[in-house]
Amino acid sequence: NAGVMQNPRHLVRRRGQEARLRCSPMKGHSHVYWYRQLPEEGLKFMVYLQKENIIDESGMPKERFSAEFPKEGPSILRIQQVVRGDSAAYFCASLATGQGFLYGYTFGSGTRLTVV
Amino acid sequence: KQEVTQIPAALSVPEGENLVLNCSFTDSAIYNLQWFRQDPGKGLTSLLLIQSSQREQTSGRLNASLDKSSGRSTLYIAASQPGDSATYLCAVRGLGQFYFGTGTSLTVIP
Repeated sequence: NAGVMQNPRHLVRRRGQEARLRCSPMKGHSHVYWYRQLPEEGLKFMVYLQKENIIDESGMPKERFSAEFPKEGPSILRIQQVVRGDSAAYFCASLATGQGFLYGYTFGSGTRLTVV
Repeated sequence: KQEVTQIPAALSVPEGENLVLNCSFTDSAIYNLQWFRQDPGKGLTSLLLIQSSQREQTSGRLNASLDKSSGRSTLYIAASQPGDSATYLCAVRGLGQFYFGTGTSLTVIP
């Protein structure tokens, strides 16, 4: 079991470019959560997805940010027209299907986005 | 909205000491509570998960307790080692997402 896989580990983008962050959940998990960790701050919830559905995006900025979790392939967190304030570590976590409330998160190693 | 607080924000202890990290939360309607460890520049490693119906969980030198009615959890680390140096995060889960505290940064001095 390879765990939750995130790539790339580090991503550098210039202001105005697009950033795409990928997350492959653990085998058998169909619930994916994205969190952002700003320097010297705690983890903040962004979005919760199940396969092909966004369940809760209450933590997602209204503009420039979007997320998807297609039927096939990894979950993608997309940030358009990045700004310096988007520089952070972005973590993905997954939960087991159908029994999520009994289990905890398994986190990926994160993607560290730097906007220059 | 759930708010999670961790005290202290930072802690420095000599090797071998036993220590307690505290976590408090404002909404007692939780499904479970999870303690994580985060090393600098790394991801989160799950340490212990306590269901809302449980009072404590143990793993090796770690023991986590949960008092849901008072909105508190503690993580007890016995016989601390330099390798325990990291940031420890508490997260509580309600209906949907987990809510995280800002963590306790632990340094164990050899």
